[in-house]
Amino acid sequence: DQQVKQNSPSLSVQEGRISILNCDYTNSMFDYFLWYKKYPAEGPTFLISISSIKDKNEDGRFTVFLNKSAKHLSLHIVPSQPGDSAVYFCAASTQGGSEKLVFGKGTKLTVNP
Amino acid sequence: AAGVIQSPRHLIKEKRETATLKCYPIPRHDTVYWYQQGPGQDPQFLISFYEKMQSDKGSIPDRFSAQQFSDYHSELNMSSLELGDSALYFCASSLGYEQYFGPGTRLTVT
Repeated sequence: DQQVKQNSPSLSVQEGRISILNCDYTNSMFDYFLWYKKYPAEGPTFLISISSIKDKNEDGRFTVFLNKSAKHLSLHIVPSQPGDSAVYFCAASTQGGSEKLVFGKGTKLTVNP
Repeated sequence: AAGVIQSPRHLIKEKRETATLKCYPIPRHDTVYWYQQGPGQDPQFLISFYEKMQSDKGSIPDRFSAQQFSDYHSELNMSSLELGDSALYFCASSLGYEQYFGPGTRLTVT
């Protein structure tokens, strides 16, 4: 059973526009959420995270929003750049436990020049 | 900045052989995690170590074992390899809540 779901396998946006990647989770014990970016043949690169005590975290062009009641989070990239083209993974963990990450299946983002 | 180092980057083995994957965490990171990513799949947690002690175990086959050494590097040992073990194996390390991943080892079992 997939506890972290990224229902859009792919997303295509124009350079300069906003990219919105969505993620849903089912396990209410998750209390820390992370986004990773992955290029082919490389390991996931940490982008941004958010604790369940917050509803928004911002870092430069990247903002993550968390809606706990809906068990939903999203990653906004503004403005999108061609170099942002990659697979984005949403991940969740339970702090105070083993802190292992549970990943979604990823969304492939393509930013067109 | 120093990153997580994994070796080898690529490994080809035959069925029933043994493989050893190595991971060198970021200096001063106290926790190491191993993940397996099959083709077109999301990374799946295998096992983790905190301060050289096993801290959690995921869906790791009994044919696999791992340990963390006194210098904090970790090794994943895989025996009686099967075709289905072909995957990318990632190591990650952390000091807090964020995990930082290495480039992975691509294991191909023929």
